[in-house]
Amino acid sequence: EDQVTQSPEALRLQEGESSSLNCSYTVSGLRGLFWYRQDPGKGPEFLFTLYSAGEEKEKERLKATLTKKESFLHITAPKPEDSATYLCAVQAGGGGYNKLIFGAGTRLAVHP
Amino acid sequence: KAGVTQTPRYLIKTRGQQVTLSCSPISGHRSVSWYQQTPGQGLQFLFEYFSETQRNKGNFPGRFSGRQFSNSRSEMNVSTLELGDSALYLCASSLGLAGGRSDTQYFGPGTRLTVL
Repeated sequence: EDQVTQSPEALRLQEGESSSLNCSYTVSGLRGLFWYRQDPGKGPEFLFTLYSAGEEKEKERLKATLTKKESFLHITAPKPEDSATYLCAVQAGGGGYNKLIFGAGTRLAVHP
Repeated sequence: KAGVTQTPRYLIKTRGQQVTLSCSPISGHRSVSWYQQTPGQGLQFLFEYFSETQRNKGNFPGRFSGRQFSNSRSEMNVSTLELGDSALYLCASSLGLAGGRSDTQYFGPGTRLTVL
């Protein structure tokens, strides 16, 4: 069964304290791995898509990496405005079309 | 370019009633997917529509249904509402790429449904 597990469930950081969020997955034929950011009461906001092991993408203070079993979202020198829930999702092959399988998310709080 | 829009943003219904939610995708996007988000189960896939046809369905009862119109706008309907249907319902649109290529989905703000 396709599955996505995120850790930690919650993370508290001081402003400027870099860290990483983990997303481990079990899927039959990965078509893509996605990272989203979700603020309270809002819909998920797209951050990155990764397609194959070894791929990396960056955007401002965020960098996403992908291996055959997991993905990391590295946050460098975070600011309070980076506080949100970060969601990881995968698209599987085998005719799954656009079905996204989500992890439970990591709630990040960055304090000044 | 305008993002995904959903209406209404908030709904309060009572058990046994039915509800219809609406989603307008990003211009040019032909695929619309629906998700349910609850604190206990997280984000779960309901179904996907492409060119007015449902091409994928999640593990939800038949009370949950949807449709897509020729302009790619989509509606989802929940009949005989239960307390457990209280959730944030999210719509996501994408280009609808063919050939097995992964397709980025962009989410709307959601409709918050409360069932009393």
